[in-house]
This record gives sequence, structure tokens and C-alpha cells, in this order.
Amino acid sequence: GAVVSQHPSWVICKSGTSVKIECRSLDFQATTMFWYRQFPKQSLMLMATSNEGSKATYEQGVEKDKFLINHASLTLSTLTVTSAHPEDSSFYICSARVVSGSSYNEQFFGPGTRLTVL
Amino acid sequence: QKEVEQNSGPLSVPEGAIASLNCTYSDRGSQSFFWYRQYSGKSPELIMSIYSNGDKEDGRFTAQLNKASQYVSLLIRDSQPSDSATYLCAVNRPGGSYIPTFGRGTSLIVHP
Repeated sequence: GAVVSQHPSWVICKSGTSVKIECRSLDFQATTMFWYRQFPKQSLMLMATSNEGSKATYEQGVEKDKFLINHASLTLSTLTVTSAHPEDSSFYICSARVVSGSSYNEQFFGPGTRLTVL
Repeated sequence: QKEVEQNSGPLSVPEGAIASLNCTYSDRGSQSFFWYRQYSGKSPELIMSIYSNGDKEDGRFTAQLNKASQYVSLLIRDSQPSDSATYLCAVNRPGGSYIPTFGRGTSLIVHP
């Protein structure tokens, strides 16, 4: 149980284009999903918290107009990187929070999406 | 002071030995603590969660929590080369938000 998928697993795009990344909880409903980015040899940086049916909460320093997050259903959240530039190249990872029994706030991560902007 | 601190390593141990990974945190109100394993180029995988003072064992892994001293540790018994990875400590922010803060991770190398 607690499987999270992401699509695509990798994407290469030209500077100025927009890229959409999907995050799905496959066997549970996730009222809360999180979006992270990770640069090589650095730790995870939380970008935003996505709650189903409401606006995402962005961490300080993250541009909400550049990183659009939509959480339209209990199993799907999307991150759109708008007008991508080379400095946006990174490993983007989503996670979903499980709320059940004693595991009331464990997070399970998707496999990640590696974005390269040329 | 960083909120969650880990020695970046690398920590090198021989196969079969016990690997000890440590993590300290700054906010006394934190209630939930997690250890994740991350292989190079992959996303983190949850290994252990711990919420109460003391030890929690799961197979070869033991998590230890000491809230008074504000540290949490992970012991890996009978270390295997496949345990070589970066281990991330995560501490939930207090206040019921369930939002974790991650340490930078400790690189573990288990050599044959």
C-alpha cells in the first residue's frame, strides 16, 4: 500500500516552455500532497503544500506564479513549471501524506521527475 | 542554527557492522520523527517513524528518540553493501501541520 506515482519520470524542454508534472496516490486518498525540489547533492527543499480543493500553501521564496499547483481530486496533484528556464532544471518530487491508524502523518514519495531545461 | 542537523559524512562501515546515524533538531515542540533512505538519483523511501522516547525496532533497523536531548538516531545492524545510501532525518514542524523539515542527510558507505 501507500504507492505514489509521478509522470513523467524525466522531461527535457526548451527555455520558455511550460511543463506539467502529475502526482497520483494509487491506493489511498491523499488530502495533502507536498512538492519538493532537490538539486544534486543537496537535501530536499519543500516548495509547497497542496490540499485537495483549496489553494496551495507555498514556502517562503517560492514563486507561486511560476510553480502552479492544482490538487483537484483526492488522488491527483499537478505542478506546472511555467516559462521554464535552465535554472529550473532540478529533480522534482511529490509526496502524499497517509492518514490512517498509527501512521497518521507519514509521507510516501513518488519516484520523482527530472527536469532539464535547455 | 539549522532546524535539523546531520553529519554529511560519508560514514564508512565494514559489511556486518553496526552503522549509527545521528540527527539533532532545534524545536522542542516537535513530536514526529522519520528516517528516510535515498539512493543516488532516486526519491526518498520511508524506513522508520518514531513518536515516543526510547527505541523502536524494525528488522535490522532501530530508531532511538531522546526528546530531552533533542536527538534521534538510526542504528543499522548487520550492515550490507545494499544499505549504502544517503539517510535523511525528518522532523515535523510543531503545531499539527504535519510538514516535515529535512536534514541534509548522511551518506553511508558499507564496504565488503
